Amino acid sequence: AQSVTQLGSHVSVSEGALVLLRCNYSSSVPPYLFWYVQYPNQGLQLLLKYTTGATLVKGINGFEAEFKKSETSFHLTKPSAHMSDAAEYFCAVTNTGNQFYFGTGTSLTVIP
Amino acid sequence: DVKVTQSSRYLVKRTGEKVFLECVQDMDHENMFWYRQDPGLGLRLIYFSYDVKMKEKGDIPEGYSVSREKKERFSLILESASTNQTSMYLCASSSLRQGGEVYEQYFGPGTRLTVT
Repeated sequence: AQSVTQLGSHVSVSEGALVLLRCNYSSSVPPYLFWYVQYPNQGLQLLLKYTTGATLVKGINGFEAEFKKSETSFHLTKPSAHMSDAAEYFCAVTNTGNQFYFGTGTSLTVIP
Repeated sequence: DVKVTQSSRYLVKRTGEKVFLECVQDMDHENMFWYRQDPGLGLRLIYFSYDVKMKEKGDIPEGYSVSREKKERFSLILESASTNQTSMYLCASSSLRQGGEVYEQYFGPGTRLTVT
């Protein structure tokens, strides 16, 4: 069975500070991993994904994530937070492309 | 620009009513999904479909059914709405897995359903 754990349902950072959102997964086979962002009253949109190849993945809006198999983690980072980054972030895992398992989400607040 | 559209952004229904939520995608995707999103619970899969007339149960199918008569359209049906089905419903679509490549999901804007 697959699952995703996102540590910290709420994270606050100051504008310009490092953003770190944590995601740990459970999968018995090599996973495919995704980060999505959801702005208020909108659907989810893809930030980045890891399928195969390079373990450091760059996404949109300056975000990146690193797949660490030994730690079963796929944490999302951004060097410098911007006010427009305030949103809810979801980590997801699949190994089939048919069923995706989502974490419970992390709400990011950016303090001016 | 790729698009997944949902028939309503907000919907208010009474207990016991039959409710239809419609989703249409214009990307010729094989896979389509229905999720419900609740605070603190994230997204939970209700049903998905990988082809016309095909459907698979997700994690929480009880109280729901689906219909996929055309490739671009995937409907979620609440046969007899109950208050515990008050939630945000999200539709998504994706391409079928090919070889080693798994494709991301594209989401609609969601339908906020309130059952009173």
